[in-house]
Amino acid sequence: GAGVSQSPRYKVAKRGQDVALRCDPISGHVSLFWYQQALGQGPEFLTYFQNEAQLDKSGLPSDRFFAERPEGSVSTLKIQRTQQEDSAVYLCASSLTRPRQGHEQYFGPGTRLTVT
Amino acid sequence: AQTVTQSQPEMSVQEAETVTLSCTYDTSESDYYLFWYKQPPSRQMILVIRQEAYKQQNATENRFSVNFQKAAKSFSLKISDSQLGDAAMYFCAYRSADHDMRFGAGTRLTVKP
Repeated sequence: GAGVSQSPRYKVAKRGQDVALRCDPISGHVSLFWYQQALGQGPEFLTYFQNEAQLDKSGLPSDRFFAERPEGSVSTLKIQRTQQEDSAVYLCASSLTRPRQGHEQYFGPGTRLTVT
Repeated sequence: AQTVTQSQPEMSVQEAETVTLSCTYDTSESDYYLFWYKQPPSRQMILVIRQEAYKQQNATENRFSVNFQKAAKSFSLKISDSQLGDAAMYFCAYRSADHDMRFGAGTRLTVKP
């Protein structure tokens, strides 16, 4: 079936605007992860969902960042009052099972956010 | 906190030759997983190879193999018979049983024809 998809692929926002980034995981995947990847760096964990429950949000850099997955499938990462330091690629990944079961994460193509 | 270190920001290899990418990690956990991901330019991150810490045998996937040294906390990736399509950023990643994935800063691999 289809892989992980993300939209939009590119987003330019003026500083102070709110943005919403969407992730469609692979159908049936229990776990969903959001990462932030700055230019030239590895992805940094933001938050993790198991079905609709947000089990870990320790990586969210500030209270301007909010994620949800209300029906346990599609997820949205929202950034309020964007700042220039929010400019990055935001990656979504999904996994068939819980992390303990060790299945790989499948990544989406990412959303490149540029805050001007 | 777990950390992953890739000490080689850039590596270069001649087509058909072999190259080894280094990765070390720091953890106090005993149960964890290690991964190598490949990220081609402007393309999605894909899994290259994975290793469960409890397995002593090194994982292999066709031309890709790892040298997992648990005591040394080392997890290097060997690419044999390098191909032009292997050119990409390679990320080493660590995940303990219940926690999030931690990535290294990456190694940019160039393959020369």
